[in-house]
Amino acid sequence: EAQVTQNPRYLITVTGKKLTVTCSQNMNHEYMSWYRQDPGLGLRQIYYSMNVEVTDKGDVPEGYKVSRKEKRNFPLILESPSPNQTSLYFCASSSTGAGNTIYFGEGSWLTVV
Amino acid sequence: AQSVSQHNHHVILSEAASLELGCNYSYGGTVNLFWYVQYPGQHLQLLLKYFSGDPLVKGIKGFEAEFIKSKFSFNLRKPSVQWSDTAEYFCAVNDNDYKLSFGAGTTVTVRA
Repeated sequence: EAQVTQNPRYLITVTGKKLTVTCSQNMNHEYMSWYRQDPGLGLRQIYYSMNVEVTDKGDVPEGYKVSRKEKRNFPLILESPSPNQTSLYFCASSSTGAGNTIYFGEGSWLTVV
Repeated sequence: AQSVSQHNHHVILSEAASLELGCNYSYGGTVNLFWYVQYPGQHLQLLLKYFSGDPLVKGIKGFEAEFIKSKFSFNLRKPSVQWSDTAEYFCAVNDNDYKLSFGAGTTVTVRA
């Protein structure tokens, strides 16, 4: 079954404590991306990756890092989380090519206190 | 960068009523257009997409959307909604750089 898997699904953490949200896909997709969803703002792209070792900033990259050492994994790193990073995060992947469907993970609820 | 506008923030309607959600985008070139649905507590699921051909696109669960290039619009419709259509609906657009730009979303509440 085609899947994008994120972990953890729910996390409450404290300001400044580094955390990583993992994302893995089993579809051999080249393209992976991270979004955050906030009320009234829809989904905003944080970072994306077109392939292994190729990453680029999206619309709201400040405070986040990513890496793409393997094709299937695309972790999101918050080096020093702050309360304004409290949000619902989605990882997504797709194969390259116009019109290809982007598949989303189930989301990770992150609260920074 | 593209912008995507969804006209309605929250729509409330009764079962069997017709639904139409507006979506406009800013990019003037070739685009791919999507509608995603997010049921309460769940991730986004693709309802339908358009990237070429017939501008009237049919998706899952009885939804359809019409691409009108001259109006930069991709409105979503369903002739008769059900209670189970209660969800948040997102319009999304990408050009050929794969970045998907989302609208702010429309919450649809269907009353039984």
